[in-house]
Amino acid sequence: DSGVTQTPKHLITATGQRVTLRCSPRSGDLSVYWYQQSLDQGLQFLIQYYNGEERAKGNILERFSAQQFPDLHSELNLSSLELGDSALYFCASSVGWGDRGTQPQHFGDGTRLSIL
Amino acid sequence: KNEVEQSPQNLTAQEGEFITINCSYSVGISALHWLQQHPGGGIVSLFMLSSGKKKHGRLIATINIQEKHSSLHITASHPRDSAVYICAVTGDTDKLIFGTGTRLQVFP
Repeated sequence: DSGVTQTPKHLITATGQRVTLRCSPRSGDLSVYWYQQSLDQGLQFLIQYYNGEERAKGNILERFSAQQFPDLHSELNLSSLELGDSALYFCASSVGWGDRGTQPQHFGDGTRLSIL
Repeated sequence: KNEVEQSPQNLTAQEGEFITINCSYSVGISALHWLQQHPGGGIVSLFMLSSGKKKHGRLIATINIQEKHSSLHITASHPRDSAVYICAVTGDTDKLIFGTGTRLQVFP
């Protein structure tokens, strides 16, 4: 058990809809990362938050947004969903920020999003 | 060309065999991570290394910074080792840059 909790585990919705994915980081971890794993693109970094502040942005679409709350949980909001957004969305957490990945990242079990 | 390349893409082995998965990268790195993804989808961090060699049970990870290459070895492989093994690197930022993964199947 990594200590990172993601909900829901599965989400099925239709094109054009909006969904929210939730992540609770491991106790003591202040950084949260969101990654997308799709069949054609593999695993890609979306965005990182540290202690409530956005710290790095990757290949995240404008239709997607995220935030980290004072209790350190994070939410990834996906809107105007398209078929191509179907993927596994992972949250990971680590202790700090700016360590250039020299601390391990602990992954949640992912949320499988299916767009019909 | 991907910044992180893995080989082979697929690997089949008999129980007990010694397995090697290779990872090459083309960028300067701060650390290299080996991850395991089980059929259910969950990802587990196996190793994080920036030099030398690390061992955990039957798993050994090595890295050669000069050659920009890392290997993951599994000794005495077992069917429960069947999974996708993913190499990832970090550079100037904390974000992971992933390889495409190696799918390993170990048969009894």
